Amino acid sequence: IQMTQSPSLLSASVGDRVTLSCKAGQNINNYLAWYQQKLGEAPKLLIYNANSLQTGIPSRFSGSGSGTDYTLTISSLQPEDVATYFCQQYNSWTTFGAGTKLELK
Amino acid sequence: EVQLVESGGGLVQPGRSLKLSCAASGFTFSDYYMAWVRQAPTKGLEWVASISYDGGSTYYRDSVKGRFTISRDNAKSSLYLQMDSLRSEDTATYYCTTDKAHFDYWGQGVMVTVSS
Repeated sequence: IQMTQSPSLLSASVGDRVTLSCKAGQNINNYLAWYQQKLGEAPKLLIYNANSLQTGIPSRFSGSGSGTDYTLTISSLQPEDVATYFCQQYNSWTTFGAGTKLELK
Repeated sequence: EVQLVESGGGLVQPGRSLKLSCAASGFTFSDYYMAWVRQAPTKGLEWVASISYDGGSTYYRDSVKGRFTISRDNAKSSLYLQMDSLRSEDTATYYCTTDKAHFDYWGQGVMVTVSS
């Protein structure tokens, strides 16, 4: 299943509400995860099953969506949120999106 | 604290073999499916292989089927990836992960470079 993330690059200011998009090539029944990868580090799981927050992840991160369209929202951007964000579907085997790079404006 | 520590990476010529290891601690290893996920330089993430709790079932992406073998030793809390007939397109950082379909915990990764 093809996963398309948009935008590929996003510039935002500290305190902004940020929305990242992930679109699946077919219905993935909410089997969708989001990961954060900071430069030089391993990915970290943020959200699973489309909207479940992984233990230890700040509540400013949230996930939503259904069917083919999913969103990761950061309610108030912090400097430490600069990273690349990947979505992953696990409805049929598993595939990742190409990522959205989030930078500070 | 969950820890996954990979080892065994390096530079290898095309067609040769390499075996990666992952030492797990901080959780009951035998309670988890495990997986390898890789990331080519400046590229995205790609699932490689997964293994069931007792090693009885294994799963591979098509491009590595017949060349890579995932295995585990629950007594040693260790995961392995035997990589044979390596190709330049296998060049990547390889991550050991817990596998609940989504990947909860990740190691720091180990670099594999396939080049002559």
